[in-house]
Amino acid sequence: DIQMTQSPSSLGASLGDRVTITCRTSHDISTFLHWYQQKPGKAPKLLIYAASHLQSGVPSRFSGSGSGTDFTLTIAGLQPEDFGTYYCQQSYTSPQFTFGQGTRLDIK
Amino acid sequence: QVTLKESGPVQVKPAETLTLTCAVSGYSLSSPRVGVSWTRQPPGKALEWLAHVSSRDEKSYSTSLEGRATISKDTSKGQVVLTLANVDPADTGTYFCARSGLDLGQPFDYWGQGALVTVSS
Repeated sequence: DIQMTQSPSSLGASLGDRVTITCRTSHDISTFLHWYQQKPGKAPKLLIYAASHLQSGVPSRFSGSGSGTDFTLTIAGLQPEDFGTYYCQQSYTSPQFTFGQGTRLDIK
Repeated sequence: QVTLKESGPVQVKPAETLTLTCAVSGYSLSSPRVGVSWTRQPPGKALEWLAHVSSRDEKSYSTSLEGRATISKDTSKGQVVLTLANVDPADTGTYFCARSGLDLGQPFDYWGQGALVTVSS
C-alpha cells in the first residue's frame, strides 16, 4: 500500500498570506496526485488534478507542483473562503486509491 | 449537468448489513474511462476510500474492509450500490459516492452530498 503523509496537520494563516501544504508518498507515484478542499458538512471539492492541473472554475491563486514522492499545494493570497481541510489523494494504484490524513487551514 | 446523490438508512444495528445507493445523472455509467467510488468519513476524521466500480464493471476494494463490502452497478437505472456486511460502530460516518472522471489521472471530479450513517443498537 502507498502511504501518504500531509504536513502540517493544521495551520493558521492571515488573509493575503501565501500558504503551502505538502504531501509525501511512500512510493513514486509520478504525477498521479490530486488535491481537494472540504468545508464542514460538505463534500470534498477537486482543486488540482495530476499534481499541477487547475480544475475548471477553481481560482488561479491555487496551484500545485511536484512529482515522484513530494508534492505541494500553494494558495497565493489567502482569501476568507479558503478555510477548510485540504486532502491529497493518489490514483497511481487505480482502481485503488488513497487519501492523505488532511490539513486543517484556519484563518487568523 | 453531472450529479450524484446517496441514499440509505440513517441508522443500522451492529452486525447488520448496510446498503447504500448512489444515483447518478448527467452521464452514463457505461461511459468509457469513467467509474464510481465510495469514500467515507468518520466524524471529525479523514477521508477513507472504500470501493470502486469501473465503466467495464471491474471492481476493487480497500483491504481495510476485510471482505465485508460489495459494490455493484445498474447502468440502466444509473445506480451504484454499496453493501457493507457485519457493521460495527467504527463504520459510523458520512458515506460519499464520487465519479472518477475523464481528467488526467482519474481524479474524483464530481461528488454526492454524502449520507450520514450511524451504527448503534
